[in-house]
Amino acid sequence: GQQVMQIPQYQHVQEGEDFTTYCNSSTTLSNIQWYKQRPGGHPVFLIQLVKSGEVKKQKRLTFQFGEAKKNSSLHITATQTTDVGTYFCAGPYAGNNRKLIWGLGTSLGVNP
Amino acid sequence: GAVVSQHPSWVICKSGTSVKIECRSLDFQATTMFWYRQFPKQSLMLMATSNEGSKATYEQGVEKDKFLINHASLTLSTLTVTSAHPEDSSFYICSAPWTGRAFFGQGTRLTVV
Repeated sequence: GQQVMQIPQYQHVQEGEDFTTYCNSSTTLSNIQWYKQRPGGHPVFLIQLVKSGEVKKQKRLTFQFGEAKKNSSLHITATQTTDVGTYFCAGPYAGNNRKLIWGLGTSLGVNP
Repeated sequence: GAVVSQHPSWVICKSGTSVKIECRSLDFQATTMFWYRQFPKQSLMLMATSNEGSKATYEQGVEKDKFLINHASLTLSTLTVTSAHPEDSSFYICSAPWTGRAFFGQGTRLTVV
């Protein structure tokens, strides 16, 4: 069945270091979305990528969508303690674009 | 942006009792809502799709008689955990799609004692 894999599952960095999480889909996606869940909170939408090869930036966050529209990455430059949380990628199920299939998430810890 | 409100945010109940969780879309209509379960430090596990005016669609392995879903209006879906047991203790969270994105409720932490 359709799957979305995300690595790594956990990562701890020193404040100021960079961080990257990778997402791979078993199928071509019409779009890919990224969400952040702070500890004790609920997932919050960060961004959506639609075009092949698309790159979008939000301050220190850089999002990429692969040329084949099957993989994506989120890169954080110079992490801060406010970046702590779990980052999820998600893509629409084939045949039902309202329903999302989720990666397992990458939990980021930042040591001050 | 769209707002989804979930209530209660936490609940403690005795084993064998039922608990109802509400999910409301406050400023948009949601013909579909999704219910997830999340264990500590784990991903979102989709339990079911709530459809306004029709039966919910449950994911494989989810007991429909235990997790009752009702979507009686375009802004409200409810999840009732029936005859709750300690293993049902978890974080339950709803979401509603709008403009192609998922908007989540605040989540409900259920503890069954």
